[in-house]
Amino acid sequence: DQQVKQNSPSLSVQEGRISILNCDYTNSMFDYFLWYKKYPAEGPTFLISISSIKDKNEDGRFTVFLNKSAKHLSLHIVPSQPGDSAVYFCAPREGGTSYGKLTFGQGTILTVHP
Amino acid sequence: KAGVTQTPRYLIKTRGQQVTLSCSPISGHRSVSWYQQTPGQGLQFLFEYFSETQRNKGNFPGRFSGRQFSNSRSEMNVSTLELGDSALYLCASSLEGRDNSPLHFGNGTRLTVT
Repeated sequence: DQQVKQNSPSLSVQEGRISILNCDYTNSMFDYFLWYKKYPAEGPTFLISISSIKDKNEDGRFTVFLNKSAKHLSLHIVPSQPGDSAVYFCAPREGGTSYGKLTFGQGTILTVHP
Repeated sequence: KAGVTQTPRYLIKTRGQQVTLSCSPISGHRSVSWYQQTPGQGLQFLFEYFSETQRNKGNFPGRFSGRQFSNSRSEMNVSTLELGDSALYLCASSLEGRDNSPLHFGNGTRLTVT
């Protein structure tokens, strides 16, 4: 039972353009949603998060949108840079005391071409 | 501030042996979680510790265990190793007491079972 789905295994964009990464989930108990970036041979690096009480959160070039009714969130990167090339994971968490338990999607490989 | 530190970075063990992995969280972080990453299953939650107590456990056999010490440092142990235990094992810490605090990951221990 895959509770978190990132349906695009890969995405290729030109430098300076927008990158949009999508994530769908089925568990209604998720109330905090995180995005991580991962390079090979390194651990995931936290990028940005959003609480279920919001529908948008922005941090510099990164914006996350949450549509609770559709159980869908997306990460926008504007403008995209070659250094953004990595694997991106959507990782929501249930409410309550499960602070350390994230459910990861399968990831999307983003490639930004110069 | 130092990040999450995991030792060793690489480990090669033989089937049937046991292994212990170590994790030092970010200073001040009291919650430590462990994850397994494999090509087939992706990133999966193993367990979470807080104040030396296991607070959450993922769907893994009893061969996988862990503990947390009074200084928040944590170890995980895998007994009777199987070939399928070959994976990247990641430790993450978070600041307890804040509902929406992200997990910060170390760079992992790459375990190879032969």
